[in-house]
Amino acid sequence: SQQGEEDPQALSIQEGENATMNCSYKTSINNLQWYRQNSGRGLVHLILIRSNEREKHSGRLRVTLDTSKKSSSLLITASRAADTASYFCATDARGNKLTFGTGTQLKVEL
Amino acid sequence: GAGVSQSPRYKVTKRGQDVALRCDPISGHVSLYWYRQALGQGPEFLTYFNYEAQQDKSGLPNDRFSAERPEGSISTLTIQRTEQRDSAMYRCASSLAQTGMGNQPQHFGDGTRLSIL
Repeated sequence: SQQGEEDPQALSIQEGENATMNCSYKTSINNLQWYRQNSGRGLVHLILIRSNEREKHSGRLRVTLDTSKKSSSLLITASRAADTASYFCATDARGNKLTFGTGTQLKVEL
Repeated sequence: GAGVSQSPRYKVTKRGQDVALRCDPISGHVSLYWYRQALGQGPEFLTYFNYEAQQDKSGLPNDRFSAERPEGSISTLTIQRTEQRDSAMYRCASSLAQTGMGNQPQHFGDGTRLSIL
């Protein structure tokens, strides 16, 4: 079963704009991870944020975590056409299996 | 290799046949996971190993599914008497640390696309 839900399901923006995706989950977690998937290919790990962290940066990526609201957001700044992909959040509740959300399909147009 | 390797990339077989999917994790990674991903959905957990020990198989759909990792490295997911509903992308992931001992990302392979005719 899917724990998380990403919002929006689909997002279309122009190159150079920022893209924000949200993830909500249901149970307490050890950490939350964001992954990117291009055209049905492999999942690429983007960033991991621990439950005691509130914000984390990696290049053009910024992730926030609000454990009181059981939600996270992924911000991609200055988007590029190459950022076009599906983005998934995944929660790690007990240090083992990941529970994925349903994904956000991002399209960055030139 | 540098990443998680899965084989075959594509498998097409007739209903009722057995299939074996292989995963070669990143060298030195202790934990290995199997997931299944339907089209348009996120991956769903099947089972995982620490070294050669299968720690959790709660996600396996039924007893036609089994997995092993006999030497703590390469793993095989076997589906017996395949059915059309088994068609999906099967993904393997590995992580460096033993599960429950720290926050570690999981690194995924490209998956095996299984189609049951």
